[in-house]
Amino acid sequence: EDQVTQSPEALRLQEGESSSLNCSYTVSGLRGLFWYRQDPGKGPEFLFTLYSAGEEKEKERLKATLTKKESFLHITAPKPEDSATYLCAVQGNTDKLIFGTGTRLQVFP
Amino acid sequence: EAQVTQNPRYLITVTGKKLTVTCSQNMNHEYMSWYRQDPGLGLRQIYYSMNVEVTDKGDVPEGYKVSRKEKRNFPLILESPSPNQTSLYFCASSIGTGLADTQYFGPGTRLTVL
Repeated sequence: EDQVTQSPEALRLQEGESSSLNCSYTVSGLRGLFWYRQDPGKGPEFLFTLYSAGEEKEKERLKATLTKKESFLHITAPKPEDSATYLCAVQGNTDKLIFGTGTRLQVFP
Repeated sequence: EAQVTQNPRYLITVTGKKLTVTCSQNMNHEYMSWYRQDPGLGLRQIYYSMNVEVTDKGDVPEGYKVSRKEKRNFPLILESPSPNQTSLYFCASSIGTGLADTQYFGPGTRLTVL
């Protein structure tokens, strides 16, 4: 069964304190791994898609990496506006997206 | 502006009173989907549609119906809502190539069933 586990559940960082969020997955035939950002009461906002192990993508202070078993979302020198819940999802051989429960990130000034 | 819209955004209703949540996208996307989001459970897929007149069950379809008569619209129907359907609902759409397409989400509908 396809499954996604994200850790930690919650993360508190000081502004400028870099860290990483983890997404571990098991899926039959990975087609893509997605990262989304979700602000309270809003819909998930697309960040990245990774397709194969070894791939990396960057956007401002965020960098996503992928191995055969997990993905990391690295946050470099975060700012308070980076506070949000970060969701990981995978798509395997089916047409379904399987989501993790997310990491709630809080960045304090 | 390319977007997915949902209506209503907030709804409080009573057990057994039929309701419909509308979803519309203006991106000419083939694929549309409904999710519900509950604390500790994440986003779970209810139904999805690969194209007009083609729908299929997701992981939690019980108590829900959908229809896809037009490409842009994908309404979610609760024939007889129950309190366990109180949740935050999201509609999403994607191009629908059959590969790992990015899904774009609507703003959400918060439903409370008393």
